[in-house]
Amino acid sequence: DVVMTQSPLSLPVTLGQPASISCRSSQSLVSSDGNTYLNWFQQRPGQSPRRLIYEVSTRDSGVPDRFSGSGSGTDFTLKISRVEAEDVGVYYCMQATHWPQTFGQGTKVES
Amino acid sequence: HVQLVQSGGEVKKPGASVKVSCKASGYTFTGYGITWVRQAPGQGLEWVGWISTYSGDANYAQKLQGRVTMTTDTSTSTAYMELRSLRYDDTAVYYCARETDSWGQGTLVTVSS
Repeated sequence: DVVMTQSPLSLPVTLGQPASISCRSSQSLVSSDGNTYLNWFQQRPGQSPRRLIYEVSTRDSGVPDRFSGSGSGTDFTLKISRVEAEDVGVYYCMQATHWPQTFGQGTKVES
Repeated sequence: HVQLVQSGGEVKKPGASVKVSCKASGYTFTGYGITWVRQAPGQGLEWVGWISTYSGDANYAQKLQGRVTMTTDTSTSTAYMELRSLRYDDTAVYYCARETDSWGQGTLVTVSS
């Protein structure tokens, strides 16, 4: 199975300041079709996960543009340009290139 | 709009089975697969499996192989996940999702004697 490793696992943030989460995969996430199926999810306390980013860098509809995704191959990053109070929660990366699909351990963002 | 509504919470004894439903609306059901994910109390997300609503083909997490079965009923746009021989560590909130972009509210399955 592809192992997804996130860091840090806990991220204290200051409102209005940037934040960044790293996600590394144990093997390349480039698919045979040339796409890279790396997603980012946000889970606020008591809520279902919400997808923020798919295919490394494409924001889902309604996701604020302060969220951005980047990376390639095995190394990926989620950035929040200016953290807002509503961004508190746990963030997960997930790869959907290889079966079984796998999640990172999660990064808890707290102010 | 896209909506996935799951069945209510369940309490089961070890060794029993549970079947969770996920009713989809707001889109063409057979145009997207259904992903199932679970989350044990205080833990992270764990991929359970995926089913093609078009063909019925499914992929399961290896650790659950032999105990989990995913099915769909295209006439009612409903997906099902059945887990058998329940163990205490199957206690979790089970989520369904349209691929990964829209999620249900979750179903708490508690395994307790």
